[in-house]
Amino acid sequence: DTGVSQNPRHKITKRGQNVTFRCDPISEHNRLYWYRQTLGQGPEFLTYFQNEAQLEKSRLLSDRFSAERPKGSFSTLEIQRTEQGDSAMYLCASSLTSGGFRNEQFFGPGTRLTVL
Amino acid sequence: GQQVMQIPQYQHVQEGEDFTTYCNSSTTLSNIQWYKQRPGGHPVFLIQLVKSGEVKKQKRLTFQFGEAKKNSSLHITATQTTDVGTYFCAGSSGGYQKVTFGTGTKLQVIP
Repeated sequence: DTGVSQNPRHKITKRGQNVTFRCDPISEHNRLYWYRQTLGQGPEFLTYFQNEAQLEKSRLLSDRFSAERPKGSFSTLEIQRTEQGDSAMYLCASSLTSGGFRNEQFFGPGTRLTVL
Repeated sequence: GQQVMQIPQYQHVQEGEDFTTYCNSSTTLSNIQWYKQRPGGHPVFLIQLVKSGEVKKQKRLTFQFGEAKKNSSLHITATQTTDVGTYFCAGSSGGYQKVTFGTGTKLQVIP
């Protein structure tokens, strides 16, 4: 399968614990995005990478959230000291940009986080 | 910050009826994309519009980008049960980096 994959698909954790999610984009894609989606809402932008560089981070993202893409391939999203309000679907998407013209984003299946 | 609103929030139609969702941005957009998300699924890209006044068609779907590049619409002719899902517009402005998704329109088709 050459699509975007995310692991784990589901995560249940207790408030205060740290969690880490992984995203493997389509191999030749240079852009990688993280979104958060809650029930009945559209995907909310969190951050994105161009290769290994994190170019933008949402102001909505608290210091408890951090993302990395160390070799410009897979990415991880870590949430420290989770809160119940962090419960959501975390979506990863990748795209191949060329000449500054943004192309379609391919989304992964998401990681559903439940914080008890 | 940029806000993207969609109306209606929900739409129930009888199979065979037409459907339209409207997308409005608080700022002028560089381009706009449309995505479809089936229940329990993830967003799937439908199309991208770039030019002012642009109209694109995909079978029964017609997409339009407003002249001022602040609004867009998606029209489905003769809906089918396979059209069920939530339709999101997603726009960016001042470059092609951050994408702001709209609030979505959830379509239910009654057979």
